[in-house]
Amino acid sequence: DVKVTQSSRYLVKRTGEKVFLECVQDMDHENMFWYRQDPGLGLRLIYFSYDVKMKEKGDIPEGYSVSREKKERFSLILESASTNQTSMYLCASNGMRLLLSGNNEQFFGPGTRLTVL
Amino acid sequence: GENVEQHPSTLSVQEGDSAVIKCTYSDSASNYFPWYKQELGKGPQLIIDIRSNVGEKKDQRIAVTLNKTAKHFSLHITETQPEDSAVYFCAASRGTNAGKSTFGDGTTLTVKP
Repeated sequence: DVKVTQSSRYLVKRTGEKVFLECVQDMDHENMFWYRQDPGLGLRLIYFSYDVKMKEKGDIPEGYSVSREKKERFSLILESASTNQTSMYLCASNGMRLLLSGNNEQFFGPGTRLTVL
Repeated sequence: GENVEQHPSTLSVQEGDSAVIKCTYSDSASNYFPWYKQELGKGPQLIIDIRSNVGEKKDQRIAVTLNKTAKHFSLHITETQPEDSAVYFCAASRGTNAGKSTFGDGTTLTVKP
């Protein structure tokens, strides 16, 4: 079974703090994604990565950065947390082997609920 | 880019009734259409998917239909049970897009016992 884990289920931080959200997948997937989920707004893509050290902006990258130093790990960084970044953050991954067979399924972690005070 | 619209945003049904959730997409090059179920406190999980070369797919009580001409696809759940209560997301993607998908805004389904 594919497993995507996220470092924390719940996190409370103060405005201005630097925040790291970690995601690890164990299926040797090439692609990894960070989303934020807010009521009524669905899943919005923040950043994605299709290879080690590669990153691409998603739809809402402002205020975030990412790091992918190893294939299995994708980190989301909030350089200076703000209250409007209070949200549920979801990490996902998928692999080229599935993609080449026409399957674009994404495998999600359980999410990190971040509250910025 | 791709735009996916999902309706309704909330749906309440009695146990045993059917539930239908509809999505439209804008990019005619999209060729893969998954549906995800997100239970409370968990990440979304794939429940069924359909590719553009197929019009309908069924897996026990759930089915998905695709109309490529009209660019819409639907999720059908029959004989609903309380454990079907969850948030459901549709998505659309094309195979050449680095694994990216565009998601609908989600439908909160409540099945009343």
